[in-house]
Amino acid sequence: SAVISQKPSRDICQRGTSLTIQCQVDSQVTMMFWYRQQPGQSLTLIATANQGSEATYESGFVIDKFPISRPNLTFSTLTVSNMSPEDSSIYLCSVGLPGQGVYEQYFGPGTRLTVT
Amino acid sequence: DQQVKQNSPSLSVQEGRISILNCDYTNSMFDYFLWYKKYPAEGPTFLISISSIKDKNEDGRFTVFLNKSAKHLSLHIVPSQPGDSAVYFCAASDRGSTLGRLYFGRGTQLTVWP
Repeated sequence: SAVISQKPSRDICQRGTSLTIQCQVDSQVTMMFWYRQQPGQSLTLIATANQGSEATYESGFVIDKFPISRPNLTFSTLTVSNMSPEDSSIYLCSVGLPGQGVYEQYFGPGTRLTVT
Repeated sequence: DQQVKQNSPSLSVQEGRISILNCDYTNSMFDYFLWYKKYPAEGPTFLISISSIKDKNEDGRFTVFLNKSAKHLSLHIVPSQPGDSAVYFCAASDRGSTLGRLYFGRGTQLTVWP
């Protein structure tokens, strides 16, 4: 497994501003993912951020709204831009590690974002 | 379109009894399934997984059963303990496509009472 930390753990932001969430892993990993969990909903994949390539965004998510950086094998950031109350969610990063022939994902503690 | 479904948002079980959490999926290409447990204010924690070549995988008190023909899997916890109270997410993967891409259900809140 891996130890994954996120900063900030929570924040309250005003509409129209941006927030950058950091994800730090204690070991080098190739595969990192960013998820959103809205209240009462499942975890929804925002993008896959593999080091050395551009992030791949899922349908409904765009780079202008959720720019991602992946400067090295232990760190990534997700920015939530021009926020609206609909962006209030828990944002989670995860890493994919090989296990029994497949990749298993391990999650950080999440960032709880409230937009007012 | 929800490809992984957990139709029971909550389950309440007495301590010592069996907890059975259910999950259905629609995509026949899924060939690897995982269960995660999530406590409040924490990220999901990997619990147990099963490959489509198996129909059962056991790890201590936790057993996952897979019925491919019915596209159904279940997680059994025996005996249930109060510390098992958490939200349980079912997830599925198609290893032939995007490596590591997981599809999650909405979760089931398990409450184990003394």
